[in-house]
Amino acid sequence: DVKVTQSSRYLVKRTGEKVFLECVQDMDHENMFWYRQDPGLGLRLIYFSYDVKMKEKGDIPEGYSVSREKKERFSLILESASTNQTSMYLCASRPDPYQPQHFGDGTRLSIL
Amino acid sequence: TQLLEQSPQFLSIQEGENLTVYCNSSSVFSSLQWYRQEPGEGPVLLVTVVTGGEVKKLKRLTFQFGDARKDSSLHITAAQPGDTGLYLCAGARRETSGSRLTFGEGTQLTVNP
Repeated sequence: DVKVTQSSRYLVKRTGEKVFLECVQDMDHENMFWYRQDPGLGLRLIYFSYDVKMKEKGDIPEGYSVSREKKERFSLILESASTNQTSMYLCASRPDPYQPQHFGDGTRLSIL
Repeated sequence: TQLLEQSPQFLSIQEGENLTVYCNSSSVFSSLQWYRQEPGEGPVLLVTVVTGGEVKKLKRLTFQFGDARKDSSLHITAAQPGDTGLYLCAGARRETSGSRLTFGEGTQLTVNP
């Protein structure tokens, strides 16, 4: 079974902090994704990565950056956290564009 | 602007009832996926439909892809409390970068015993 692991289930940070969310997958998948999930808005794509060191902006990249130095790890960075970034963050991976995505269990992030 | 519209957003029914969830768009998709998400977990894929008019069955769940590949429906027969969860549809368009998915807002289903 594919395993996508997000480093934290719950995280509380303060406004202005730099926040790192980590995601690791164990199936040698090429593509990885970061979404945020908010009530009534579904999942919105923040960034995705085709392969190591490659990244592309999604629909809502403002205030975020990403890093993919190794194939199995995709990090989401909040450069200077703000309260409107309080949300559920979901990481996903897939082997190629024709296969479904496998999701982690999410990180519920609160910015105070 | 939401590219994929799901309805209803909330549904609360009694055990044994039937229900249908709709996923509509003005755009054509190369494939459409349905996921279910339970509290505290990530979405889990239920099915992928790729051909216009395609119907797939998963026990008491029936999924249909519209003939024009712009819409889809999920029908649950004789719902059970274990069907409770957030149902998400997601469409893929090959012309988008990386064939990325666009998600609907989700339908929160509660089946009461």
